Amino acid sequence: DAKTTQPPSMDCAEGRAANLPCNHSTISGNEYVYWYRQIHSQGPQYIIHGLKNNETNEMASLIITEDRKSSTLILPHATLRDTAVYYCIVRADSGGYQKVTFGTGTKLQVIP
Amino acid sequence: EPEVTQTPSHQVTQMGQEVILRCVPISNHLYFYWYRQILGQKVEFLVSFYNNEISEKSEIFDDQFSVERPDGSNFTLKIRSTKLEDSAMYFCASSEQGRAEAFFGQGTRLTVV
Repeated sequence: DAKTTQPPSMDCAEGRAANLPCNHSTISGNEYVYWYRQIHSQGPQYIIHGLKNNETNEMASLIITEDRKSSTLILPHATLRDTAVYYCIVRADSGGYQKVTFGTGTKLQVIP
Repeated sequence: EPEVTQTPSHQVTQMGQEVILRCVPISNHLYFYWYRQILGQKVEFLVSFYNNEISEKSEIFDDQFSVERPDGSNFTLKIRSTKLEDSAMYFCASSEQGRAEAFFGQGTRLTVV
């Protein structure tokens, strides 16, 4: 799986958009970008994934650059409950097998 | 919404004792996983299980560890002789054929004393 680089921490004001960057300059053509998060001491939670098109679901939006070397996860209106560690993971699609290799992620602190 | 459930939420055991951590994956899922997270460290993959056998395991998953799906609904992780360094949060996860996401349980905090 390609390596990813994320800032170790970020702050965001409550109600504002949180934009979490991820660099994956060595991504291969068949590798997807996945985002998970881990709220303190809870199990990781899947957020979103994408290949090359931008994606949106009820939790977030994922913007992938045209060259696919970086991406941004957007939480449009951050709440205090969004305070968590966010993991950007790059991996090939394997039809359902979902072993996830977690890095250190970005610790997002949402501030009231 | 279906969820992965783990029991117990907290287990304290003496060094050298055997422990069994239990998980009920989401019912139509085919892939099952155990991860662990030592306090303050990354979430680490231990093992994956598919079609009633281990499909992949990490270096951490040595002979002290075993997994089992005894009755078609539960998925267990056994640590045969616990060590102090086994103290961690253990997360069970499952995923469905053809779907992108893995669903994680809330974890079992294992404390070895």
